[in-house]
Amino acid sequence: DIQMTQSPSSLSASVRDRVIITCRASQDISNHLAWLQQKPGKAPESLIYAASALQSGVPSRFSGSGSGTDFTLTISSLQPEDFATYYCQQYKHYPLTFGGGTKVEIK
Amino acid sequence: QVQLVESGGGLVKPGGSLRLSCIASGFTFSDYYMTWIRQAPGKGLEWLSHISGSIIYTNYADSVKGRFTISRDNPKMSLYLQMNSLRVEDTAVYYCVRGELDFDYWGQGTLVTVSS
Repeated sequence: DIQMTQSPSSLSASVRDRVIITCRASQDISNHLAWLQQKPGKAPESLIYAASALQSGVPSRFSGSGSGTDFTLTISSLQPEDFATYYCQQYKHYPLTFGGGTKVEIK
Repeated sequence: QVQLVESGGGLVKPGGSLRLSCIASGFTFSDYYMTWIRQAPGKGLEWLSHISGSIIYTNYADSVKGRFTISRDNPKMSLYLQMNSLRVEDTAVYYCVRGELDFDYWGQGTLVTVSS
């Protein structure tokens, strides 16, 4: 199975901060990577697919980059509604696997 | 708008069975692969199984292969997960999700608790 490793596992940030979350795959997954956001007690929501394509309705402050094994999710200016846990997910090989999550908390 | 509503979760003893359902609306159900993903309490996400819109193709995670069966009824716009031989480690919120590889819509989830 492909292991997905996210860092950091948690971070504290302030509104309007720039936040960068990284995700590393244990083998080459090309651009077959998605990013999800999950708020407490809620289902995950899709943010990004194909490493950098925004899902419909996702604010432009979210962006994704990377290819191969190393990927990043960037929030250019953190907003109050962005405090959540973020997961990366690979879909190059079965079984599909997720990173362990990065919890973004209020500083 | 797209909606996915799961039901059927609850408390079951180890070794027991449960059938989860998911009713879809707002899109042409038969055009899409559908997937089940779960999340143990306080833990990350685990892909379990998917089924093609045509019902021809299914796939399972090793952790549930032989115990869980995915199915769908396209005229009823419904997705199912039959779970047998349940274990304590199957305790989780189970999500019905649209898509095969990347997932654009998720249901709200249904909680399955396996405990004696």
